[in-house]
Amino acid sequence: EAGVAQSPRYKIIEKRQSVAFWCNPISGHATLYWYQQILGQGPKLLIQFQNNGVVDDSQLPKDRFSAERLKGVDSTLKIQPAKLEDSAVYLCASSLVRLAGRYEQYFGPGTRLTVT
Amino acid sequence: AQTVTQSQPEMSVQEAETVTLSCTYDTSESDYYLFWYKQPPSRQMILVIRQEAYKQQNATENRFSVNFQKAAKSFSLKISDSQLGDAAMYFCAYRSPNAGTDKLIFGTGTRLQVFP
Repeated sequence: EAGVAQSPRYKIIEKRQSVAFWCNPISGHATLYWYQQILGQGPKLLIQFQNNGVVDDSQLPKDRFSAERLKGVDSTLKIQPAKLEDSAVYLCASSLVRLAGRYEQYFGPGTRLTVT
Repeated sequence: AQTVTQSQPEMSVQEAETVTLSCTYDTSESDYYLFWYKQPPSRQMILVIRQEAYKQQNATENRFSVNFQKAAKSFSLKISDSQLGDAAMYFCAYRSPNAGTDKLIFGTGTRLQVFP
């Protein structure tokens, strides 16, 4: 079974530029998550999708971050314009069903973003 | 709001020895899930072990076991017969079944070094 795929693995941009990250979840997984992991911290949920609907985006800085999952499969996370404090690893995860603790969240390898 | 605290930024252990990583959490809920994730340098988060709060029996997965003390809100991870491949960041995480979201709340992590 293929895991969660993410691209790119690394990205360096200047502040005020825009950037987009792509995630392809495990086949059949209806729930998709984007986490932000700042250096020295644990991951923090930015947004959760159930199919193509948003379940939780309470910690997403909506003035600069946006995310979509149009066909309920792949997802894109965008930052526009980027700030220095957006430097972090962006992790995508997926799980089979919602609200079922015994179902594991599977993580991708992440995208390391550096904003200069 | 729930919080997770890992008070040991770094730990080290000799190969074949046993090490225990500490985690405490704060919650007013009686039912929840706790997890330990491993994050090697490749950045991909891997689930090590999970514990349901309603289960009194401590979870065990091969060389990994937990000491779950619900009243003390403590959830430590014991790694027996440590191997070089166990070297990684370890994150403790909490999930509420009641929040309407599946988000994981992570601690700040413990870096484990394993010496031959």
